[in-house]
Amino acid sequence: DAGVIQSPRHEVTEMGQEVTLRCKPISGHNSLFWYRQTMMRGLELLIYFNNNVPIDDSGMPEDRFSAKMPNASFSTLKIQPSEPRDSAVYFCASSKLAGDSNEQFFGPGTRLTVL
Amino acid sequence: GENVEQHPSTLSVQEGDSAVIKCTYSDSASNYFPWYKQELGKRPQLIIDIRSNVGEKKDQRIAVTLNKTAKHFSLHITETQPEDSAVYFCAAYQAGTALIFGKGTTLSVSS
Repeated sequence: DAGVIQSPRHEVTEMGQEVTLRCKPISGHNSLFWYRQTMMRGLELLIYFNNNVPIDDSGMPEDRFSAKMPNASFSTLKIQPSEPRDSAVYFCASSKLAGDSNEQFFGPGTRLTVL
Repeated sequence: GENVEQHPSTLSVQEGDSAVIKCTYSDSASNYFPWYKQELGKRPQLIIDIRSNVGEKKDQRIAVTLNKTAKHFSLHITETQPEDSAVYFCAAYQAGTALIFGKGTTLSVSS
């Protein structure tokens, strides 16, 4: 199994540009999570999907952020327009919906720098 | 919603010493508590977890304890080694939701 795949691994863009981050979860997993990691705030949950349906997007910081999961094998996180304070590492994670546990497998992350 | 507090934020120990990281959670419905280790520049990876029906779990040099009444759980690392240096995150979970992570503890083990 290839694990969770994210692209791009690094993104440098200028303020005001649109940024799209992509994620392919582990095959067979039906929950997908987007996190943002910064030194100041640690690992913040932005949004998660169960069976492709967004369940909780209360962590999405502003309307500039949006996420979609059109099918079980693909999700995107879009920032439009981007701002310097959006610079962070964005992780996607996936898991199987299960009753008592939820081991999440993280992707390698996308390091976003907004100039 | 769930809130997870973790401390200390940084911890420095000598090689061979023990390290303890503590977390508290707010929602009594949480029933699964994993610990993740994140090495510099890498992704978080699960190292040990515990469910609410268990008080303690051990895996070689790593152990986790859970006190459901007090709503706190701890990670214990014995005989620390330089390769244990990393950021450690605790998390809490209840069915159908997402893991909520603590802010992390940066552990430094010096030889």
